[in-house]
Amino acid sequence: GESVGLHLPTLSVQEGDNSIINCAYSNSASDYFIWYKQESGKGPQFIIDIRSNMDKRQGQRVTVLLNKTVKHLSLQIAATQPGDSAVYFCAENRGDMRFGAGTRLTVKP
Amino acid sequence: DVKVTQSSRYLVKRTGEKVFLECVQDMDHENMFWYRQDPGLGLRLIYFSYDVKMKEKGDIPEGYSVSREKKERFSLILESASTNQTSMYLCATHFGYSGNRARGYTFGSGTRLTVV
Repeated sequence: GESVGLHLPTLSVQEGDNSIINCAYSNSASDYFIWYKQESGKGPQFIIDIRSNMDKRQGQRVTVLLNKTVKHLSLQIAATQPGDSAVYFCAENRGDMRFGAGTRLTVKP
Repeated sequence: DVKVTQSSRYLVKRTGEKVFLECVQDMDHENMFWYRQDPGLGLRLIYFSYDVKMKEKGDIPEGYSVSREKKERFSLILESASTNQTSMYLCATHFGYSGNRARGYTFGSGTRLTVV
């Protein structure tokens, strides 16, 4: 079946380092992807999105890269801060949402 | 900004009880969704609704029902709660489609339900 998933369930980084969170998808027809951040006790919050006609999109301290050849998506967080500690999901938006299990990012001081 | 409000942050219910989870949005969105979130499984779609009095089954509707009597309110109902329904429940809404893409997808803060 079709799925959206993440490579790693946990990621621990030092404060100030860059973080990279990965996501694989299997539906080659998907053309729109979203990254969400979910802090403890809260609902997911939109971070950044990307369309399939793009390879890269940048936001404030975040960059999303899309490799359609291998159906891979990544979220890069620059200069990771303690407030970045959360679970991060990629989602495949095909009208309804398909989510991966999430990666928990922990930032060590 | 769209506000999606889930009435309870935490709930503890007994096995066999009928449970109502309420979700209210304040931006006149037509599309509303209920998910459950479990460790290692991510978010799974239970039910969704594209209009008042309209409902569609998602991927895991068994043991649940929904009600959409008013546009702003979408209720998830556990007819007879069981321990395997202990989970985080998330409501979401969006305001329409651009092509086939849902626009303005927004989540509530979630209700953590424990069935004992």
